[in-house]
Amino acid sequence: AQSVTQLDSHVSVSEGTPVLLRCNYSSSYSPSLFWYVQHPNKGLQLLLKYTSAATLVKGINGFEAEFKKSETSFHLTKPSAHMSDAAEYFCVVTYTGTASKLTFGTGTRLQVTL
Amino acid sequence: EPEVTQTPSHQVTQMGQEVILRCVPISNHLYFYWYRQILGQKVEFLVSFYNNEISEKSEIFDDQFSVERPDGSNFTLKIRSTKLEDSAMYFCASRDRGWYGYTFGSGTRLTVV
Repeated sequence: AQSVTQLDSHVSVSEGTPVLLRCNYSSSYSPSLFWYVQHPNKGLQLLLKYTSAATLVKGINGFEAEFKKSETSFHLTKPSAHMSDAAEYFCVVTYTGTASKLTFGTGTRLQVTL
Repeated sequence: EPEVTQTPSHQVTQMGQEVILRCVPISNHLYFYWYRQILGQKVEFLVSFYNNEISEKSEIFDDQFSVERPDGSNFTLKIRSTKLEDSAMYFCASRDRGWYGYTFGSGTRLTVV
């Protein structure tokens, strides 16, 4: 079975400081991993995805994530937080196949303060 | 950029009533999905649909739920007799064969009263 664990339910950073949202996955096969963001009362927006190409993945809005197989991790980072980054972030895993479902983590709420 | 469109954005229904949630996936996509998110909880898989049939469903997707692709463009989720615990945000998603990731719709918030 596939699963992801988001290690922090809530992260608070000051504007302009780095962001680190942690995610570990369990894997029987080679996974595809994603980070999605959900702003309040909005849908799910894809930030970035890893699908067995480069292990350092760059996404939108300055976010990036590094796939580390040895640590089974896919942490999301951003060098400098902006107020508009405040949202819920979901780490998601799936396996390529004919109709692979996504398995979501429980989410990390990012708060950005002045 | 192509979008997945969901209607309505918000629906309120009485317990026991039938509801149909509608989705228009991206036109050249082949795989279709419904997910739901109960308030304050994580997003959960409901069902996947490919080649005009269900490919996989979760234990949540019981006999009260059904999906249909009636006309080659719409993809619907029907709940026959709604319960209070069906209140949630329902997301439709689609993807193509090339596996470049899912595209989600903006969701339908279903409130059962």
